[in-house]
Amino acid sequence: GQQLNQSPQSMFIQEGEDVSMNCTSSSIFNTWLWYKQDPGEGPVLLIALYKAGELTSNGRLTAQFGITRKDSFLNISASIPSDVGIYFCTHTRTYSGAGSYQLTFGKGTKLSVIP
Amino acid sequence: GAGVSQSPSNKVTEKGKDVELRCDPISGHTALYWYRQSLGQGLEFLIYFQGNSAPDKSGLPSDRFSAERTGGSVSTLTIQRTQQEDSAVYLCASSLYREAFFGQGTRLTVV
Repeated sequence: GQQLNQSPQSMFIQEGEDVSMNCTSSSIFNTWLWYKQDPGEGPVLLIALYKAGELTSNGRLTAQFGITRKDSFLNISASIPSDVGIYFCTHTRTYSGAGSYQLTFGKGTKLSVIP
Repeated sequence: GAGVSQSPSNKVTEKGKDVELRCDPISGHTALYWYRQSLGQGLEFLIYFQGNSAPDKSGLPSDRFSAERTGGSVSTLTIQRTQQEDSAVYLCASSLYREAFFGQGTRLTVV
């Protein structure tokens, strides 16, 4: 089956520090998505990546689709307390002939920001 | 509504009872997913719908779990004869293409 490894599992950082987390897969995929989940809420889409080498920013967040198509990273610059939460990576694969997509999630990186 | 809506937001049930969890996806979204999240864990895939059919139900943990979708819209996840290990947050997501949008989840507690 598909293996999606996300690291680190947890991080404790000081407010203002930069953060980096990554995902690696055993297979090649066409899309990487990064989500953030606040406590008690559903995951919210942060960034979507569609082709190898793509580098995309969303405010203080930057994500890249690895050139091998088997990995992706997410960076957060100048962290603030509201960055606290669980960050999930996911990749998609198409169901054969269906034109539709399965999402497989990593186990998440739990981020704690110390004011 | 504008987003994915799930109901109830919280459900406490006695062991052995049946429960139904509802998901209203974003209007026009053809794909619908159910996930389960145990405390402090990642998202466990349960079932995927494309329209009203379920091409992938491989994540349903046992035959006590079933789901249906009607009218290409609302979906219901049913858990029969609930067990304590069924306690978790059940999340629903919908998508039109590759980006999925999640509801706030239903927290199920089996006592």
